Amino acid sequence: KQEVTQIPAALSVPEGENLVLNCSFTDSAIYNLQWFRQDPGKGLTSLLLIQSSQREQTSGRLNASLDKSSGRSTLYIAASQPGDSATYLCAGSNNAGNMLTFGGGTRLMVKP
Amino acid sequence: KAGVTQTPRYLIKTRGQQVTLSCSPISGHRSVSWYQQTPGQGLQFLFEYFSETQRNKGNFPGRFSGRQFSNSRSEMNVSTLELGDSALYLCASSLPNQGDNEQYFGPGTRLTVT
Repeated sequence: KQEVTQIPAALSVPEGENLVLNCSFTDSAIYNLQWFRQDPGKGLTSLLLIQSSQREQTSGRLNASLDKSSGRSTLYIAASQPGDSATYLCAGSNNAGNMLTFGGGTRLMVKP
Repeated sequence: KAGVTQTPRYLIKTRGQQVTLSCSPISGHRSVSWYQQTPGQGLQFLFEYFSETQRNKGNFPGRFSGRQFSNSRSEMNVSTLELGDSALYLCASSLPNQGDNEQYFGPGTRLTVT
């Protein structure tokens, strides 16, 4: 059974700092991994999907990497802004459909 | 292209009642998945529907059920509500292929059971 862990649970940084969010998973047979953002009381916004044949994906100031052998994924946020404040969730899927297993999330606060 | 829509956005029910939540996927998406989000358990997978058939199921009691219609819209039903069913219920839609599909989530339905 896949288990996904995100550490730290909360993070506070000053504006402009580069930061890394970590996601680890127990089953290296993970098929792909998706990073999401969730604002308080809202749904999830997809940030990046690292597909099964990929090792990283980039979108603007965001870069996500996936290392299946070590069971780790990281989300790199460059030049953080107060608008980046949110909870970031990683989720992995296996090849049996679209079922996602989520980590507990990292609550990020970027202070002006 | 319109996103995933969920109705209603908020619900208050009493223990023992039942509730039906609705999800309309992005046009062209034929897979719909449901998740429950609570502060204690985080996000947990309920079930996935594709072509009106349940394709995957999470570890939830039989009080939780769902269905999908021919237009890909999906409903989930919770019978005999318990206080612990209070949660944000999220649905996600994606293309139907198994594997490398980006999941798109709706805004959720906030269910409060009193």
